Amino acid sequence: DGGITQSPKYLFRKEGQNVTLSCEQNLNHDAMYWYRQDPGQGLRLIYYSQIVNDFQKGDIAEGYSVSREKKESFPLTVTSAQKNPTAFYLCASSMITGAPSHNEQFFGPGTRLTVL
Amino acid sequence: GDSVTQMEGPVTLSEEAFLTINCTYTATGYPSLFWYVQYPGEGLQLLLKATKADDKGSNKGFEATYRKETTSFHLEKGSVQVSDSAVYFCALSLDSNYQLIWGAGTKLIIKP
Repeated sequence: DGGITQSPKYLFRKEGQNVTLSCEQNLNHDAMYWYRQDPGQGLRLIYYSQIVNDFQKGDIAEGYSVSREKKESFPLTVTSAQKNPTAFYLCASSMITGAPSHNEQFFGPGTRLTVL
Repeated sequence: GDSVTQMEGPVTLSEEAFLTINCTYTATGYPSLFWYVQYPGEGLQLLLKATKADDKGSNKGFEATYRKETTSFHLEKGSVQVSDSAVYFCALSLDSNYQLIWGAGTKLIIKP
């Protein structure tokens, strides 16, 4: 089955620790995205990548870092510099074509991060 | 700038009621429009989409029509079920980049 996997589903970390969230896709999509979702709120873009070894900051990149060494993988590191990291993190991917209708994003199941 | 505005929730309805969730947008050019649904504790799923004016997207009994004259893409369903309880997001996509611009989401609660 094609899709996006995120692991782990739940993650706990102590204050001051870095933690890495995994995102893998087997849809052969070029673009991948990380979003943060807080309770009762919409999605905020953290980082996105349209090609291997290249990525761009989104609206709330401070305190986060990413890498894109392989097309199918886009891990997100939440660093100790992120002041309020407790949230639900969603990874997505999409094709890149000339038509915006093809920009449908496919989402993973999410990782819920709790800082203790 | 480009933006999407959704009606605030939560929207609470009884089973079999008619549903409308309003979505309006501001965009330069000719966006594609999307509705996504998020069930509790899960990621988002595409519900329906429309790529040009007057197109109607439909799926699982939900419909939305791309109205350029009113810059709207309201989500409707004739008879809701308890299983439709979720958060619904409206979004648009432009030619200029490959990002989606998201509305804030509308929580829908259906009571039996």
